[in-house]
Amino acid sequence: GQQLNQSPQSMFIQEGEDVSMNCTSSSIFNTWLWYKQDPGEGPVLLIALYKAGELTSNGRLTAQFGITRKDSFLNISASIPSDVGIYFCAGQPPSATGNQFYFGTGTSLTVIP
Amino acid sequence: KAGVTQTPRYLIKTRGQQVTLSCSPISGHRSVSWYQQTPGQGLQFLFEYFSETQRNKGNFPGRFSGRQFSNSRSEMNVSTLELGDSALYLCASSRTGSQDTQYFGPGTRLTVL
Repeated sequence: GQQLNQSPQSMFIQEGEDVSMNCTSSSIFNTWLWYKQDPGEGPVLLIALYKAGELTSNGRLTAQFGITRKDSFLNISASIPSDVGIYFCAGQPPSATGNQFYFGTGTSLTVIP
Repeated sequence: KAGVTQTPRYLIKTRGQQVTLSCSPISGHRSVSWYQQTPGQGLQFLFEYFSETQRNKGNFPGRFSGRQFSNSRSEMNVSTLELGDSALYLCASSRTGSQDTQYFGPGTRLTVL
């Protein structure tokens, strides 16, 4: 199946710092989604991207759909303790029939107060 | 609008038993996808149902099966449980299932002893 490389695998940052993580694919995607998951809970959708080059913000979060359609990044500005969690990217290739998404391996974020 | 609900939230079974998990999608959503999440393998796609039909299937053995009812509620069944089936099982719903956004439920934590 499709492989999504998500990096970094983990991050330890000070409160107030900005965070950047990204996802790359070996093939093109039509849709990129970014999720945050807290322990023992389901992923919560943060941002959805549907067009190459699209830049979308949700509060302190900003995500972009790469021009090549093979990558996406997520930025978090001025991190706070509640940003702690695991962030996943998910992508859907053009060949997907129906609602099949491929997920990255996640970025674990720790914010040190 | 109520989110995706999953029951039960926690389940303990023994090897060889079978289990049925339930998922109620967001009202108006017709696509339900199931994922298995484990620390080692991340989020892996099991299958997707749309309008009571299985539309996509991941790479899991036949012990994993599902169905969808006319009200879009879905069930997932695992027969002859193995220790390795211990995982968080997540379902996600979307409106049409085609280049659409997925919303996850809180998951069912299955432990196989």
